[in-house]
Amino acid sequence: SQQGEEDPQALSIQEGENATMNCSYKTSINNLQWYRQNSGRGLVHLILIRSNEREKHSGRLRVTLDTSKKSSSLLITASRAADTASYFCVTSGSRLTFGEGTQLTVNP
Amino acid sequence: EAQVTQNPRYLITVTGKKLTVTCSQNMNHEYMSWYRQDPGLGLRQIYYSMNVEVTDKGDVPEGYKVSRKEKRNFPLILESPSPNQTSLYFCASSLEWLGFGLEQYFGPGTRLTVT
Repeated sequence: SQQGEEDPQALSIQEGENATMNCSYKTSINNLQWYRQNSGRGLVHLILIRSNEREKHSGRLRVTLDTSKKSSSLLITASRAADTASYFCVTSGSRLTFGEGTQLTVNP
Repeated sequence: EAQVTQNPRYLITVTGKKLTVTCSQNMNHEYMSWYRQDPGLGLRQIYYSMNVEVTDKGDVPEGYKVSRKEKRNFPLILESPSPNQTSLYFCASSLEWLGFGLEQYFGPGTRLTVT
């Protein structure tokens, strides 16, 4: 299975702090994507990093990819209460596979 | 506005009563997919379609049917729903499938309860 597995399962921080979430996977991939899901709602695409890229930025988001370790991290800087959501990594090879997500809570 | 729509958003039904959840996208996307989301199990793919008249099974297709007669629509059919199909369902689409996935656009979800 190419399932991405996020770590930690839950993370609680204060507004203004940085949040780091990790994703590990088992087989080779073409790209890795991160999505956000607000409670009970549809997923929203955040960022896609290709297998030949090591780091990518988008606003307050920074994603790294280490294909030798089969892992990725998502860093959200200067977090806000509105960042409270579940975050999923999605690996893409011959199939798309979702992890179970990290539940991030940002306390005001 | 570019979007994926699903209907109904909420549905409570009884075991064995056939139902259809509709999904429509207005982005001319080739790839469409259905997922179910359950606590502790994450999102699992039910069926996907790479283009019109091309559908294939995902990870959990049992008890579901799909069709793709038009590019914009991808309905999910439960011929004889059972309580274990109680779940939150998402439809998603992306521009195309290149042998690997691209950014997906998700619908708002359909919460189905089968009693």
